[in-house]
Amino acid sequence: DTEVTQTPKHLVMGMTNKKSLKCEQHMGHRAMYWYKQKAKKPPELMFVYSYEKLSINESVPSRFSPECPNSSLLNLHLHALQPEDSALYLCASSQEGRFEQFFGPGTRLTVL
Amino acid sequence: AQKITQTQPGMFVQEKEAVTLDCTYDTSDPSYGLFWYKQPSSGEMIFLIYQGSYDQQNATEGRYSLNFQKARKSANLVISASQLGDSAMYFCAMMNSGGYQKVTFGTGTKLQVIP
Repeated sequence: DTEVTQTPKHLVMGMTNKKSLKCEQHMGHRAMYWYKQKAKKPPELMFVYSYEKLSINESVPSRFSPECPNSSLLNLHLHALQPEDSALYLCASSQEGRFEQFFGPGTRLTVL
Repeated sequence: AQKITQTQPGMFVQEKEAVTLDCTYDTSDPSYGLFWYKQPSSGEMIFLIYQGSYDQQNATEGRYSLNFQKARKSANLVISASQLGDSAMYFCAMMNSGGYQKVTFGTGTKLQVIP
């Protein structure tokens, strides 16, 4: 298995909802990442997990809560989001000792 | 701090022609990696090619080659024999040593292939 999968592909939620984004990889990668990408902009790093521990949090608001239950799975829990949080959320993974990251197809999130 | 600069917001190329997408970078770290990603309108970031800072030869992957000029701090992507499916946004990116550090992306170049 050489891909990163993300579910759902699209998500529409209200500002009072609680939802979760899911990312999965079975390549044995020990680092996983969440990025946020607004239209016509490059991806912005949100979180990095290394060996299932949070290693980087790029000052992301607490309404985004990451979780790494095991080495293959990465979740992003969403609560009380704002309309400006609407974006493409990308998950990526990388192998230890390698620079390149492999991305999933993303979840397009719309907050109403 | 590391920085990636892509000075071409948009490019056009005729089908079957070659095209060069420019990328310059700045870092004080002697060990780093440079990559190019393709992002079609569907949104997925597709890894294209990787160049390590200590690699002696320019990286090639099929129709993609990376013109790495270390002294000039440039890492241009060359796409040969352009195809209509090459129309997409292209991002140059860099990561410093360590493997789990932050990736810095350029602002991207939108390539359109004309039939």
